[in-house]
Amino acid sequence: AQSVTQLGSHVSVSEGALVLLRCNYSSSVPPYLFWYVQYPNQGLQLLLKYTSAATLVKGINGFEAEFKKSETSFHLTKPSAHMRDAAEYFCAVILNTGGFKTIFGAGTRLFVKA
Amino acid sequence: NAGVTQTPKFQVLKTGQSMTLQCAQDMNHNSMYWYRQDPGMGLRLIYYSASEGTTDKGEVPNGYNVSRLNKREFSLRLESAAPSQTSVYFCASSDDGRNTEAFFGQGTRLTVV
Repeated sequence: AQSVTQLGSHVSVSEGALVLLRCNYSSSVPPYLFWYVQYPNQGLQLLLKYTSAATLVKGINGFEAEFKKSETSFHLTKPSAHMRDAAEYFCAVILNTGGFKTIFGAGTRLFVKA
Repeated sequence: NAGVTQTPKFQVLKTGQSMTLQCAQDMNHNSMYWYRQDPGMGLRLIYYSASEGTTDKGEVPNGYNVSRLNKREFSLRLESAAPSQTSVYFCASSDDGRNTEAFFGQGTRLTVV
């Protein structure tokens, strides 16, 4: 069963518009959720993580995500897109199956139009 | 501040050739991982190692072997490369625990012709 599902492989927004990237997780996994960003020709870097301290999590570069247990969602938002936000974004969860391992969603590529 | 270092950055192999991808981390992390990234597939876990001396299969282990040489190093070997193994490979490491982030290398772009 897929642990995390990202809706939309590509999202396109205009500069200054709201960014919304969707992630739903399997209710059978513990809610240790992450968003990573990958800029072209680079490895992934952490954007933010949910650790149960607060449902609204703030990350770097103005991004935030809200954990909603009732909807099994952890969507990523940013009020105003900037050209430098163009990248691929991955939702991820940590599973404990005899060792902790990070499982990633398929990714959403964000395009920002001038 | 090196973090996770992968070598090589690029490689072209002929079908049937073998090679080893090297990975080293300097953060004293117990867990290390190998992922492959393909368009539309996200990152898929090949193998991981929860501690020195242990390795476990991930989602797509067929055609690969790994060695956790010591706490710092985790290598990935392709014994007989196939075109289906053309991909970008990432090594990552993390500390123990459920809410710890993974740190990634810059990736190895492998083409098998």
